[in-house]
Formats: sequence, C-alpha cells, structure tokens
Amino acid sequence: DQQVKQNSPSLSVQEGRISILNCDYTNSMFDYFLWYKKYPAEGPTFLISISSIKDKNEDGRFTVFLNKSAKHLSLHIVPSQPGDSAVYFCAASEGAAGNKLTFGGGTRVLVKP
Amino acid sequence: ETGVTQTPRHLVMGMTNKKSLKCEQHLGHNAMYWYKQSAKKPLELMFVYNFKEQTENNSVPSRFSPECPNSSHLFLHLHTLQPEDSALYLCASSQSPASGSYEQYFGPGTRLTVT
Repeated sequence: DQQVKQNSPSLSVQEGRISILNCDYTNSMFDYFLWYKKYPAEGPTFLISISSIKDKNEDGRFTVFLNKSAKHLSLHIVPSQPGDSAVYFCAASEGAAGNKLTFGGGTRVLVKP
Repeated sequence: ETGVTQTPRHLVMGMTNKKSLKCEQHLGHNAMYWYKQSAKKPLELMFVYNFKEQTENNSVPSRFSPECPNSSHLFLHLHTLQPEDSALYLCASSQSPASGSYEQYFGPGTRLTVT
C-alpha cells in the first residue's frame, strides 16, 4: 500500500505559466517532506523541502505548500521553463525513522516553449 | 555534479553471475543508501547505513548483499539474480538524521539487466 501518492502521472504546461504538482500521503507520522527532480539517465536531484511545522516554503521559482489536515502537499513552479521538463518525485520522512524516505511514483512534467 | 558517483552505469548479467555495484560519495556524509527503481514503480528503499552500520534492511532478498567499508563507499553485491531484479539501482548519501537534515543526494544510478 503506497503511503505517498502522486495521482497525476503527467503534466503539460506552457513556458512562463505555473506548474502545480500534487502529492498526497496517508501516514500521519510523516513530518518532513521533500521534492526531487529527475532527468533521464541521471539520479534524482533535491529541489526543496518543508517541515511539518510550516505550511509554506519558497526557494526562487519553487514553492512547496503543506496542508497537514488534508495530508496533501503541492509544488508550484513559476514561471515554468523548458529546462524544468523532468520527472518530479515527492518524498516523506518520519522524524523517528530519520533518514528513511518514502517516495511517490512521480509526475512527468513537460514545459512547452 | 551531485558528488555521488556510481559504477558501472550499465550492467548486463546472467542469472548465475556474481557482480558488484559500487558507490562513492564525496560530500562528507555519514549515511548511505541503496534504492531500487523498477519500471512504473516508486523508488524503493533497500538498505540504510549510518556511520558504516546497517540500520535498515527493507525485506530485501539475500541475493542482494550490501557492504559499507567506510562512510564514503558503499557496495551492492549481486548473485543468482532473477530477471525481475532488472531495474535502476540508485545510491544516495546524506548527513546523519541527528543533524536534522533529511535531504538525500543521489548518484546517477546503475541500469541492471538480468538475462
């Protein structure tokens, strides 16, 4: 049973517009969340993270929102650029489990010029 | 450049072969990981090492045998694999959880094909 789910396998967006990626989780013990980006033939690259004590974290064009009551997080990319075309994974960690990450299945983003 | 390297990048092996995957991190981290990514499945954590000690074995079959001789190197020894073990094997490293940092940094992966 998947504890972290990304229900949209793919997303297509026009360059300059906003990309919104969603992630849902079921384990209420998760208290730290991360987003990774993966290009073909490369390993995942860390993008941005958020602790459960916050509801928003921003880093440049990337903003992650956390809604604990809904067990939902989202990643906003604005403005989207063609170089953002990749697969995006959300991941979650339990504080007590420390460095054991549980990943979602990924969302493939295509940014069209 | 992530600071985590993996060799080989591609490996084809028969079911009776023995091979090893190597991972090296140049980030000064104290924790290292092996993940498996099969087609159409999320990344699955296989093993965790903290300060060279194995702290997690996620019910991985014994035909996969990890080795962590020091905090910078991690191996995955493979023997008598099955075709369903064909996947992308990713290594990652991080600071220890006690540091409060949970970000893991990944290598490029080894694409394994078992014939």
